[in-house]
Amino acid sequence: AQRVTQPEKLLSVFKGAPVELKCNYSYSGSPELFWYVQYSRQRLQLLLRHISRESIKGFTADLNKGETSFHLKKPFAQEEDSAMYYCALRGSGYSTLTFGKGTMLLVSP
Amino acid sequence: NAGVTQTPKFQVLKTGQSMTLQCAQDMNHNSMYWYRQDPGMGLRLIYYSASEGTTDKGEVPNGYNVSRLNKREFSLRLESAAPSQTSVYFCASSEGYRNTEAFFGQGTRLTVV
Repeated sequence: AQRVTQPEKLLSVFKGAPVELKCNYSYSGSPELFWYVQYSRQRLQLLLRHISRESIKGFTADLNKGETSFHLKKPFAQEEDSAMYYCALRGSGYSTLTFGKGTMLLVSP
Repeated sequence: NAGVTQTPKFQVLKTGQSMTLQCAQDMNHNSMYWYRQDPGMGLRLIYYSASEGTTDKGEVPNGYNVSRLNKREFSLRLESAAPSQTSVYFCASSEGYRNTEAFFGQGTRLTVV
């Protein structure tokens, strides 16, 4: 079975502070990991995926297979980063996306 | 290019009523999904269709049925709505292969009273 854990329901930071949204997963094979973001009253959209190893809107995430983690980081938070963030996993073969429960990020001025 | 389109956007039902949520995608994707989003629960998969002509249960299928009408359309039906089905429903689609992105509709906010 595949499982995604996001331990924080809410993360509140001030503008300019570093941000780390935690994601841990459980999967025996080789997973694909994603971060999706949902801004207020908008649809979910892909933020980044581990295979791309890219930085989107200043966010990065590194897959750590030893710690089974895929934490999302940004060195300097902006107010427009306020949103709900979901970590998601897809297993090998044909597999559906399994989402964590989400972390609400609030960035205050 | 509309992507994934869901109808309706909002709906209020009385307990016991039935309704169908419609979803269509114009990206020629093989796979389509229905999720529900509840506070503190994240997104949970209701049903999915890996390819045209197939459907499978997800994590929370009870009380729902689906139809993959063709490659573009995937509908979700509530036969007898219950207050526990009050939620925001999202349809999504993807190519279904490894490393491919899932695209989401704008959601349907359903309230069952």
